[in-house]
Amino acid sequence: DGGITQSPKYLFRKEGQNVTLSCEQNLNHDAMYWYRQDPGQGLRLIYYSQIVNDFQKGDIAEGYSVSREKKESFPLTVTSAQKNPTAFYLCASGAWGAQPQHFGDGTRLSIL
Amino acid sequence: EDKVVQSPLSLVVHEGDTVTLNCSYEVTNFRSLLWYKQEKKAPTFLFMLTSSGIEKKSGRLSSILDKKELFSILNITATQTGDSAVYLCAVSGEYGNKLVFGAGTILRVKS
Repeated sequence: DGGITQSPKYLFRKEGQNVTLSCEQNLNHDAMYWYRQDPGQGLRLIYYSQIVNDFQKGDIAEGYSVSREKKESFPLTVTSAQKNPTAFYLCASGAWGAQPQHFGDGTRLSIL
Repeated sequence: EDKVVQSPLSLVVHEGDTVTLNCSYEVTNFRSLLWYKQEKKAPTFLFMLTSSGIEKKSGRLSSILDKKELFSILNITATQTGDSAVYLCAVSGEYGNKLVFGAGTILRVKS
């Protein structure tokens, strides 16, 4: 079945550690997105990519990094510079310049 | 700055009730407004609206857009406990690619 797979479902980060969240899609979508969801704040855009080897900062990119080496994959690294990383992270994909976006099941990141 | 405001933030209803969720927006070069349902994990797509006054309907759910007054409503009739979720409203503006989300409305349907 076509869809978006995020892993792991739960992740714990130690202070000073970088962690990487995985996002894979087999929908043949050009565009991929990373969002952060905090209680009461809806979804906020971290990074997005419209094609391989190209990505753009969203509204809250500080402390995060991404890569897009393959069309199917868009991993997100939460670096030690992100001082408040505890949140629910959602990956999405869609046709570039069109809606809707389709979402993965998310990764819940917590601090140890 | 693009903005989406949803109301109410939360509500509790009994099975069989009808609910109306509201979404108002300010966005540069509006392209579309979307509604999603989120039940713990992935938001699932409900509706996309681009034209004013045309109702979109799926079973007990329906939605309409008013581009003059810059708002949309999502109606759920004969609510069921399975309708309990967070309902997210989002808009796309210039270029049609990025979405700006509202904070969501938490709906709880009691049996």
